[in-house]
Amino acid sequence: EPEVTQTPSHQVTQMGQEVILRCVPISNHLYFYWYRQILGQKVEFLVSFYNNEISEKSEIFDDQFSVERPDGSNFTLKIRSTKLEDSAMYFCASSQDRLLEAFFGQGTRLTVV
Amino acid sequence: AQTVTQSQPEMSVQEAETVTLSCTYDTSESDYYLFWYKQPPSRQMILVIRQEAYKQQNATENRFSVNFQKAAKSFSLKISDSQLGDAAMYFCAGGSEKLVFGKGTKLTVNP
Repeated sequence: EPEVTQTPSHQVTQMGQEVILRCVPISNHLYFYWYRQILGQKVEFLVSFYNNEISEKSEIFDDQFSVERPDGSNFTLKIRSTKLEDSAMYFCASSQDRLLEAFFGQGTRLTVV
Repeated sequence: AQTVTQSQPEMSVQEAETVTLSCTYDTSESDYYLFWYKQPPSRQMILVIRQEAYKQQNATENRFSVNFQKAAKSFSLKISDSQLGDAAMYFCAGGSEKLVFGKGTKLTVNP
């Protein structure tokens, strides 16, 4: 069964450092998403991406964040200068159509120290 | 959905019994989907069941079924014949593209 894969599963980074979280969406999917979940809290939408551009972003997704689909298969989330409060589980998701279910990856646990 | 509310932070059920998790939502969209996701301690998000808002028939998936009341904006999840492996956080979510999640209900299954 096709699945969304995320790497790494766990990343520890120092405050102020740049981090790139990687995702390989399901191959025939066209819509891509990043969500995050701070420990003990609910899952929050960060950004959606379609046709090589951002289609919607939340207020969490400020200038420190960027997304890219560099090669037609990977979908990355970059945080330029990490803060302690960026520590969270980051989920990538993809869907075939905007009205269809989103399949989630297993998540990347980001710890900023 | 613009807001999704899960009013039960925690629920417990005896193994083999039935439990219902509540969810209400609010949206101005005409086309949307509603979902229940399960999150075990590994924190992976696993789709349990989904409901298209335009369908009146309640979705079912083996032991999992929903009670979708569109007028009341209610979307509850019923788990029948509960198993120990059902213990997890359950998140209700909805939307037409991006998903809005509720705060979750922690389900404990007692042997």
